[in-house]
Amino acid sequence: QVQLQESGPGLVKPSETLSLTCTVSGYSISSYYWSWIRQPPGKGLEWIGYIYYTGTTNYNPSLKSRVTLSVDTSKNQFSLKLSSVTAADTAVYYCAGEKNYYFDYWGQGTLVTVSS
Amino acid sequence: DIQMTQSPSSLSASVGDRVTITCRASQSFSSYLNWYQQKPGKAPKLLIYAASSLQSGVPSRFSGSRSGTDFTLTISSLQPEDFATYYCQQSYSTPRAFGPGTKVEIK
Repeated sequence: QVQLQESGPGLVKPSETLSLTCTVSGYSISSYYWSWIRQPPGKGLEWIGYIYYTGTTNYNPSLKSRVTLSVDTSKNQFSLKLSSVTAADTAVYYCAGEKNYYFDYWGQGTLVTVSS
Repeated sequence: DIQMTQSPSSLSASVGDRVTITCRASQSFSSYLNWYQQKPGKAPKLLIYAASSLQSGVPSRFSGSRSGTDFTLTISSLQPEDFATYYCQQSYSTPRAFGPGTKVEIK
């Protein structure tokens, strides 16, 4: 059974860098495109970007200047870094897997609050 | 970038009702359209992929269809566990985009 688990700080200060890791279990990270998706409280879903196990990335232009995705195949993990955060970056962050043009695996989500 | 809209933004319905939610894309593409259900505090769950294919384990009362740039999610007989927010999502191109959501509430 495929499971995704997000981890990282739940509180980040303004102007600092948000860092999250998603650990994939029950499946090789080498077979899917791995995305980060976020959801501000009470709002809709926003795709941040994806990474393939080869390191190929694709970012949402709205966040591209601040986002870096990376992958560690030895640990079956992929990570998100979002720099220069503001209160507008407060959201539940989900990691998700896409293989055949749909997100069929999701993590449970982790709330990241940007506040001093 | 492809923009997605949904209508209605919310609806009230009773158990047993037939419910239809529409999603429209800003440009035409083939059936790279997915539907998700999200309950409070939970991650979205895939219901329909490729416009009309039912994800494994999803009840057959859920169905999807496409007509041009309009996509429809239908719940044939609403059940208590179906009260949730529904999102469409295009996977034809990047950036991947979700619709704003339709909240289905109890009448």
